[in-house]
Amino acid sequence: GENVEQHPSTLSVQEGDSAVIKCTYSDSASNYFPWYKQELGKRPQLIIDIRSNVGEKKDQRIAVTLNKTAKHFSLHITETQPEDSAVYFCAASKGGATNKLIFGTGTLLAVQP
Amino acid sequence: GAVVSQHPSWVICKSGTSVKIECRSLDFQATTMFWYRQFPKQSLMLMATSNEGSKATYEQGVEKDKFLINHASLTLSTLTVTSAHPEDSSFYICSATGLLHGYTFGSGTRLTVV
Repeated sequence: GENVEQHPSTLSVQEGDSAVIKCTYSDSASNYFPWYKQELGKRPQLIIDIRSNVGEKKDQRIAVTLNKTAKHFSLHITETQPEDSAVYFCAASKGGATNKLIFGTGTLLAVQP
Repeated sequence: GAVVSQHPSWVICKSGTSVKIECRSLDFQATTMFWYRQFPKQSLMLMATSNEGSKATYEQGVEKDKFLINHASLTLSTLTVTSAHPEDSSFYICSATGLLHGYTFGSGTRLTVV
């Protein structure tokens, strides 16, 4: 089955710096790749997603890139703020946004003021 | 936007008892419900997928007789943890999808078995 690896497991940056989190997936049939932000004890919140027909997507300070050949995708957060501190999960799905999501192992991002 | 209501938000039960968790889609028809379990500082692990009116499909390693899933209507799905034990203590969270709605997570249930 699908396997999603995520790195790093923890990431500490200074406020204003950029943060990059990387994921690789195993199933070449995967076609939908969302990123979620989860605060302690809360539900995951979708922050950005990308489909396999697109190589890059940006939304203000957040961007995601996808390399289908290498089967990896990355989350980029620029101008980080303390409120960006949370656990971030990548995920992959074969059937688009309504099929089961397989999640990465998570990255704990700490933005130091 | 789409909303999934999950109850209870937390529950403490005695070992050997059963606990039922409900997820309701409030403003859309949830044709599919996914149930996840998340242990502390770990990822969300998919337990099962249920389509309305059908039996749930369980992921490898998940005991279907222990984690009973019912999805009898397009707005309600339940997960019952039967004969709960301390190792079942975890954060359980549902996510619903519909024809026009992608993943919508419930608020999660913190289960503690004592």
